[in-house]
Formats: sequence, C-alpha cells, structure tokens
Amino acid sequence: GAGVSQSPSNKVTEKGKDVELRCDPISGHTALYWYRQSLGQGLEFLIYFQGNSAPDKSGLPSDRFSAERTGGSVSTLTIQRTQQEDSAVYLCASSLIVGYLDNEQFFGPGTRLTVL
Amino acid sequence: TQLLEQSPQFLSIQEGENLTVYCNSSSVFSSLQWYRQEPGEGPVLLVTVVTGGEVKKLKRLTFQFGDARKDSSLHITAAQPGDTGLYLCAGAGGTSYGKLTFGQGTILTVHP
Repeated sequence: GAGVSQSPSNKVTEKGKDVELRCDPISGHTALYWYRQSLGQGLEFLIYFQGNSAPDKSGLPSDRFSAERTGGSVSTLTIQRTQQEDSAVYLCASSLIVGYLDNEQFFGPGTRLTVL
Repeated sequence: TQLLEQSPQFLSIQEGENLTVYCNSSSVFSSLQWYRQEPGEGPVLLVTVVTGGEVKKLKRLTFQFGDARKDSSLHITAAQPGDTGLYLCAGAGGTSYGKLTFGQGTILTVHP
C-alpha cells in the first residue's frame, strides 16, 4: 500500500524489557514524526526527522527513549527498560516537507504498547 | 511551551443536532489543522486553516480560524452517526517549527 505502515500493531512486554517500534513512511516523504497517544487523548509529540537528522527531540520523555532513521526512509523508535507508564499507542506520521503552512501529516495506524 | 485547550472533551448527542468544538491557545499559530480519528487508526486530516478569520466548509462541517490565529472552532450541522469519532485540533508554527501541537481531543458520539 501507499500509506504509512507501522509494526508491530500490538506489543505486550514485561517491565524492564527493551522494545523496538518500526515505521515505514510514504515513499518520497522527507519528514517523519513520532507521537504518543494515551487512550482517547490527544497526541504528544516525541521527535521528528528531516531526512536522517532529528532537529527536534524535545518530546522524548527520558533517555530510555531513542529513535533513528536510516536512508531517509524507515525509522525505529526504541524504548529501553520499559515502564508501565510507557503503555500507550505510538503513532508515526510522515509529510512531504517540513513547514509552517503546508505540513499535512499522514499517520500510520499506530503500535499499541502494553507494559505489564 | 505552546498549548492547545480543546473543549468539550466528550460530546454525546442525538442524530440531527448541531454541535461546536473549540480549540483555544494563548499562542499564535501559523496554521491550524483539524483531524478525525477512528478506533484503531491514525488521525486523518480534515482541513487546514491558515489565514486569521478564515472560514472553510466541508459539507456539514464548518471550520473557523480566529482573527488572531490563536483559536479555532469546528461546527457540525445535523450530526449523523457516521460523524462519531475523536476530533483533534493541531497547531503548526510559532515556536514549534516542524511538529504539531495537538489539543486533548473531543470524543463525539452521535446516537441514531
């Protein structure tokens, strides 16, 4: 398909384990974003990439969270030593460019992370 | 830090009723977007408003951007069960280049 894809769709892990979440953006989109969403709530910005660089990492909650993007395409969000408060839906989005005005972001279906 | 206050958080109405969702901030945004999200899916963009005072209509949905570009509203006329979902406003620009600042969302339920 031509949309943003994320894997896995669901992830259940035990407290203290590391997890990796993957995002495949729309082909040709230079910008990629990670957000976190608690049940029925708004989205909390985590980090965005312009190409392979991350100009804004200000939303990462702690140093247990990291993300990388390779080849200007696929991105991986890694959470180390997971805690129960990390449980949420992690959404990835991509956009053609980064800008103030024309910044339509296309979202993937998300990865639901549950930390037991 | 830029914040967007969205209200109401929950809205439960009967089919055919009108409703308005509000999005307010003390910060100026370059543009304001409205998204709709259904369970198990990511948000989907409905509209982007850019100019202060701008009004956009999308069938039964009317979106307005405040003159000062600090607030916005979404009005739905004659709501239908198919309008049920989570509505999110998101601001772009200001001190938040690149990322979107989202409101807390409004969960709308339209009963037949």
